[in-house]
Amino acid sequence: GDSVTQMEGPVTLSEEACLTINCTYTATGYPSLFWYVQYPGEGLQLLLKATKADDKGSNKGFEATYRKETTSFHLEKGSVQVSDSAVYFCALTLNSGYSTLTFGKGTMLLVSP
Amino acid sequence: GAVVSQHPSRVICKSGTSVKIECRSLDFQATTMFWYRQFPKQSLMLMATSNEGSKATYEQGVEKDKFLINHASLTLSTLTVTSAHPEDSSFYICSARRRGSLKDTQYFGPGTRLTVL
Repeated sequence: GDSVTQMEGPVTLSEEACLTINCTYTATGYPSLFWYVQYPGEGLQLLLKATKADDKGSNKGFEATYRKETTSFHLEKGSVQVSDSAVYFCALTLNSGYSTLTFGKGTMLLVSP
Repeated sequence: GAVVSQHPSRVICKSGTSVKIECRSLDFQATTMFWYRQFPKQSLMLMATSNEGSKATYEQGVEKDKFLINHASLTLSTLTVTSAHPEDSSFYICSARRRGSLKDTQYFGPGTRLTVL
């Protein structure tokens, strides 16, 4: 079946450090890929997405590139802020029909001043 | 736009009671709503998918008699945890797909923390 694998957290960084959260996937079809963010005590918010190979999603300084050859969608940010502390979920959905989202287990990011 | 609310945000109940959680799309019509359960330090587990006016489709392993889902209108879906037990304690999150939107667009509610004593 379809699955998403994320690096385990927590990831602890100092403010202005570079961030990479790895995400790889397996899918039977051609998925769309997503990163969602969950701030403490809140629901999920879509951070960025990419719908086909080599697409780059970006938002709020975060980026991720859809790499079909390595089945990856790593999340990157050049300079993190304390306010970026949250749990980040990688997810996919198949492009055939009204498919549901498959989530990774989430990676907690903690940014200290 | 595309705001989804949940009520209540937190609920504490005694074992054996039933708890209803509401999920509303505030500024759009949601043809499909999803209910997820999130365990501590784990991912979201899809429980069921509900389409307005029809019965919900439950994922494997989810007891439909235990978790009753009703999607009576295009803006409201409810999840009722019947005869709740401590193992039902969890964070429940709904999401909604807007009518006419792309298949990959889901808007998430803020979640409901259920604690069963």
